[in-house]
Amino acid sequence: GQQLNQSPQSMFIQEGEDVSMNCTSSSIFNTWLWYKQDPGEGPVLLIALYKAGELTSNGRLTAQFGITRKDSFLNISASIPSDVGIYFCAGQLSGAGGTSYGKLTFGQGTILTVHP
Amino acid sequence: ETGVTQSPTHLIKTRGQQVTLRCSSQSGHNTVSWYQQALGQGPQFIFQYYREEENGRGNFPPRFSGLQFPNYSSELNVNALELDDSALYLCASSLRSRNEQFFGPGTRLTVL
Repeated sequence: GQQLNQSPQSMFIQEGEDVSMNCTSSSIFNTWLWYKQDPGEGPVLLIALYKAGELTSNGRLTAQFGITRKDSFLNISASIPSDVGIYFCAGQLSGAGGTSYGKLTFGQGTILTVHP
Repeated sequence: ETGVTQSPTHLIKTRGQQVTLRCSSQSGHNTVSWYQQALGQGPQFIFQYYREEENGRGNFPPRFSGLQFPNYSSELNVNALELDDSALYLCASSLRSRNEQFFGPGTRLTVL
């Protein structure tokens, strides 16, 4: 099936540092979503992107929908200890019609550790 | 506004048994999707329900089935459980017209 390549797999950073992670695919997506998942919980939606080139912020988080529609990145500025968790990108494929409407394809996740 | 809820939280079954997981969608949402998340992996799409009908299915065998009720809540049924079915099962609700999906806390299924 379709795959999203998410990198890096893990990051160990100091509190206050900026973080960048990204997702790439060989397929075109019409929606990119970024989620954060804490241990034992479901993913929480952080940012949704709908247009190529779109740049959206949510507090210290900024995400962009790549121009080619095949990639997206997420930046976290001035990290704090509560940013610890697993970050997932997810996308919905373009042009697949109603049969895949709403089907999200997820990346493998980026494990973020923040040292105080 | 009530978020997505799932029950039970944890479940232990043995191979060959059957299991039913339940999900209540977020208030105002009419679409429910189910995902399986193996340890250390991203969620994998199982299927989606809209207007009480299956509306799209991932690469899962027929022993994975579901239902959606008039109040938009949903069930996931898995027959003839296998060891590899051990995972976190996530339910997500959304509006039919939007791609933003909101997840519940999940049900942790262990098959022995």
